[in-house]
Amino acid sequence: AQSVSQHNHHVILSEAASLELGCNYSYGGTVNLFWYVQYPGQHLQLLLKYFSGDPLVKGIKGFEAEFIKSKFSFNLRKPSVQWSDTAEYFCAVNAASNDYKLSFGAGTTVTVRA
Amino acid sequence: EPEVTQTPSHQVTQMGQEVILRCVPISNHLYFYWYRQILGQKVEFLVSFYNNEISEKSEIFDDQFSVERPDGSNFTLKIRSTKLEDSAMYFCASSTTEADTQYFGPGTRLTVL
Repeated sequence: AQSVSQHNHHVILSEAASLELGCNYSYGGTVNLFWYVQYPGQHLQLLLKYFSGDPLVKGIKGFEAEFIKSKFSFNLRKPSVQWSDTAEYFCAVNAASNDYKLSFGAGTTVTVRA
Repeated sequence: EPEVTQTPSHQVTQMGQEVILRCVPISNHLYFYWYRQILGQKVEFLVSFYNNEISEKSEIFDDQFSVERPDGSNFTLKIRSTKLEDSAMYFCASSTTEADTQYFGPGTRLTVL
């Protein structure tokens, strides 16, 4: 079945640590890939997206993600996190094969300790 | 920067009652969506709407649900007879094209008692 998987349910780390959140998808063909963030009490906001071109995309707040087509992955990274990065992070995919319905992963809660 | 807005932020209703959740999409967007997130679960697609009609809907979107764009700015989700299991956060989103980035509203928390 077509799906989006996020490997980590909850990640706890200290400020200045590096962060990597895994995301894999199972859609074939053309895909568009997104990472959304939901800060406590706020709505889903777009962090970054990949449609085509350079597979390493840079987003807001120092985040980046790399699309590896052969691995069906779109992992999110940040070299040095801050306390304000505490949030829930969602990977999402839309695909031509799924009529571009946006499918979300289960989300990863990131807690950054000061 | 334009934003998607939703009202109310929290709606409490009795089982069997009708509720209408309201959304104002970004003004130049043409595609509109509803999603829901039951507590502790994934964000799930409910329905997409384009050119004044439903373009896609999920199996969740049964006859109890309907969507409407009653005027040039609002986009509504109606649940005709709410059930306990409809309790969730409902998100509205909009985009310029079906493949493009969807921008989300802050959500309406629906509690069915």
